[in-house]
Amino acid sequence: AQKITQTQPGMFVQEKEAVTLDCTYDTSDPSYGLFWYKQPSSGEMIFLIYQGSYDQQNATEGRYSLNFQKARKSANLVISASQLGDSAMYFCAMSPGPGGSYIPTFGRGTSLIVHP
Amino acid sequence: DVKVTQSSRYLVKRTGEKVFLECVQDMDHENMFWYRQDPGLGLRLIYFSYDVKMKEKGDIPEGYSVSREKKERFSLILESASTNQTSMYLCASSEGQAGYQPQHFGDGTRLSIL
Repeated sequence: AQKITQTQPGMFVQEKEAVTLDCTYDTSDPSYGLFWYKQPSSGEMIFLIYQGSYDQQNATEGRYSLNFQKARKSANLVISASQLGDSAMYFCAMSPGPGGSYIPTFGRGTSLIVHP
Repeated sequence: DVKVTQSSRYLVKRTGEKVFLECVQDMDHENMFWYRQDPGLGLRLIYFSYDVKMKEKGDIPEGYSVSREKKERFSLILESASTNQTSMYLCASSEGQAGYQPQHFGDGTRLSIL
C-alpha cells in the first residue's frame, strides 16, 4: 500500500521569500510518480510539478522545484520568491508506475499563507 | 489545455433525492475519477473508471454509483441523498498509466443536502 504524509498542516511565509513544503511517502513499488497540486480557495486543483522515481535530476517548473531524495523517501516542494497568489492548499500525491493500479494516493495537504 | 468541466459549481438538494453530478473532459483521457473532499480528510476516492463502461470502487463507494457510457463523460449518482453527503466533489481525468501522467481536475461541485 502507498502512503503520503504531509506533516505541516499550515505554513506562513513572507512575500518574496522561499518556502519548503514537506512530503514523505512510503511504497514498495520500484517505479512511481510524484506530483504536487495547488488548490486555491476557489476550489479547483491545479497540477504544479511531476517527478518520476527514476529521474536523476530534480524537477523544476518556473518558481516551483521538487527536492527529491529517494533514499529518504521525501519529495518536498520548494516555492521560490513567494507571491500573495501562492496562498492556497498544497497536496502531494503519488501514483504507481507500470503494472500498478491507476489510483493516485494523496496527502492531507498543507495550507500556505503568504504575508505581504 | 485539458478541460474538465463539472456541470455545477454549487448545488442544493433535499434528503432522499436522486442527485446526478456530471463531468466531461475534452482530451480523450482513458481514466476518470470522482473524489470527495472534506476538511481535514483530504481527497477520498469514490469511484474511478479506466475505460468506457468500466468502473472500480474507490475508498468510499457506499451510497454512490457511477456511469460511463461515453469516454468523455463520467457521472456520479447519489442514489438517495443524505445530509452526510454534503461535501465538495471533484472530478479528474488522466491519460494512460497514472504513474506518469498528472490528473486534471474540474472546478469542483459544492453539494449541500438539506
